[in-house]
Amino acid sequence: QITLKESGPPLVKPTQTLTLTCTFSGFSLSTSEVAVGWIRQPPGKALEWLALIYWDDDKRYSPSLKSRLTITKDTSKNQVVLTMTNMDPVDTATYYCAHRQLADAFDIWGQGTMVTVSS
Amino acid sequence: QSALTQPASVSGSPGQSITISCTGTSSDVGSYNLVSWYQQHPGKAPKLMIYEVSKWPSGVSNRFSGSKSGNTASLTISGLQAEDEADYYCCSYADSSTLVFGGGTKLTVL
Repeated sequence: QITLKESGPPLVKPTQTLTLTCTFSGFSLSTSEVAVGWIRQPPGKALEWLALIYWDDDKRYSPSLKSRLTITKDTSKNQVVLTMTNMDPVDTATYYCAHRQLADAFDIWGQGTMVTVSS
Repeated sequence: QSALTQPASVSGSPGQSITISCTGTSSDVGSYNLVSWYQQHPGKAPKLMIYEVSKWPSGVSNRFSGSKSGNTASLTISGLQAEDEADYYCCSYADSSTLVFGGGTKLTVL
């Protein structure tokens, strides 16, 4: 059974760097074709894809946020970490991590973690 | 990379069928058969309903079906049920191995 869980600070100040951790079980990020992604959703708004990391350490980022995002993995800990620099109130959102299946769809999602950006 | 275009809202009565469109470009929907659809109930994480345009994940009702023509993908829900009331999002693989979501559609079951 695949599960994922996001963790991170519920509140960050503007200009700070956000670090979120996705801890997963039921699969290994060292297995071929496996990938984990991050998606966010501002309150009352649409989903927005942020980043994806593959089993071979290939990484993909949203073009509009690429300069601010870094995604990494720790295979031994079954974790994926997303950092976002220069946080702004518009980045207030629920941040989800999700398991990507072969057809580039996210079949299993974490419960999400709400992050508020405010001074 | 702009968000895919979905109608803000659709509605239907129990038992009826509805279709939600998802319009992209030749850089995403039009070039790849990698469109997925997600259902999201309030306060919950999204749930995968359709992948690769028209395939069902295990456990998803076949009342949900997907299709694509040109730059537009569609999700059809037949035999509407009260539990289908939710937000629905499309997502497409896009150039440069990126992904793009739609703006979401709120489905109301009358």
